[in-house]
Amino acid sequence: GQQVMQIPQYQHVQEGEDFTTYCNSSTTLSNIQWYKQRPGGHPVFLIQLVKSGEVKKQKRLTFQFGEAKKNSSLHITATQTTDVGTYFCAEDQAGTALIFGKGTTLSVSS
Amino acid sequence: NAGVTQTPKFRVLKTGQSMTLLCAQDMNHEYMYWYRQDPGMGLRLIHYSVGEGTTAKGEVPDGYNVSRLKKQNFLLGLESAAPSQTSVYFCASSLIGAETQYFGPGTRLLVL
Repeated sequence: GQQVMQIPQYQHVQEGEDFTTYCNSSTTLSNIQWYKQRPGGHPVFLIQLVKSGEVKKQKRLTFQFGEAKKNSSLHITATQTTDVGTYFCAEDQAGTALIFGKGTTLSVSS
Repeated sequence: NAGVTQTPKFRVLKTGQSMTLLCAQDMNHEYMYWYRQDPGMGLRLIHYSVGEGTTAKGEVPDGYNVSRLKKQNFLLGLESAAPSQTSVYFCASSLIGAETQYFGPGTRLLVL
């Protein structure tokens, strides 16, 4: 079935470095959502992108939706230790459910 | 509001035993979901419900059953637990389909 592919699976950065995770699909997406899961926690909604080429910012986080609506990215500027966790993208499945990517786990050392 | 709650938080089962995981939400959401999370596998959808009295299969439904007798509750049952069902189970709800999902704290299940 359809599934978004996320890369990289793991990323370690030094505090203050930037971080980017990518989400790719072989099909055109109606929209895409991003979630963050802290270690030992549960996924928490971050944002939804709907329009082609859309860019949204939340403080140090920048989310992009590709022009062809087949890919998306999450970029964190100047990472902090509070950014540690796993970031998931999720695609809309026929308007009834979400299919999640496998996630990118970010670790940050100070 | 409590949001989405799950019981129990942790459980150990022996192979072949049965159990029911309970999910409750107080947000009057129509849609509810059960996921399992295993290392390196992300979140995989087991079953979901689009409203009271309805259920549908997700990506990995085998070995699980669900029921949604009341709008606020979504039950996940394991009739005969297997070690392959050792996982963390998350319940989620959303107001309408494929919109923002709100997750519960999870249930850690260990099947020996």
